[in-house]
Amino acid sequence: AQSVTQPDIHITVSEGASLELRCNYSYGATPYLFWYVQSPGQGLQLLLKYFSGDTLVQGIKGFEAEFKRSQSSFNLRKPSVHWSDAAEYFCAVGGGGADGLTFGKGTHLIIQP
Amino acid sequence: DVKVTQSSRYLVKRTGEKVFLECVQDMDHENMFWYRQDPGLGLRLIYFSYDVKMKEKGDIPEGYSVSREKKERFSLILESASTNQTSMYLCASSWSGSYNEQFFGPGTRLTVL
Repeated sequence: AQSVTQPDIHITVSEGASLELRCNYSYGATPYLFWYVQSPGQGLQLLLKYFSGDTLVQGIKGFEAEFKRSQSSFNLRKPSVHWSDAAEYFCAVGGGGADGLTFGKGTHLIIQP
Repeated sequence: DVKVTQSSRYLVKRTGEKVFLECVQDMDHENMFWYRQDPGLGLRLIYFSYDVKMKEKGDIPEGYSVSREKKERFSLILESASTNQTSMYLCASSWSGSYNEQFFGPGTRLTVL
């Protein structure tokens, strides 16, 4: 069965500092990987996704993520965070067929002024 | 823009009541999903549907049923609501194939008293 681990429940970062959110997955074949963001009281919005090709993918809002097969990781990065980036971030993995995604438990990002 | 709408943002029901949560998407997506979101547990898949009148159980289907009579509408039914079903419920839709991103509605926060 596929699974996703986000080791950090909470992360606090100063505004303007760089950010890396960790995600490790378990999946037997080539995974489809996603990062979603959820602002307070909102649904989830896709930041970026990987399913083939270049292992460094660019997303919206200045985010990027790197797929590393050898480490089973898909970490999310941003060079300089803004106060509006405070939110819950979810990593997810999908497989073949129409199955729903398997989500990690989320990382809550707090931005310090 | 893809739009996924959910009938209520907040809902309060009593134990034993039958509860209907409605979800409508406007992009002719084949797949539709229901998740519940709980603090510290992330998102968990309840049911999904890949076509009209077709449904598949997700990870936590107990206590829930679904209905998809029209392609654009996917309903989640709590036959007899219980307090442990107090949660945030998120609906999502996507084109066929799990490499496609899922688009989420804003969520319904259900409280069962």
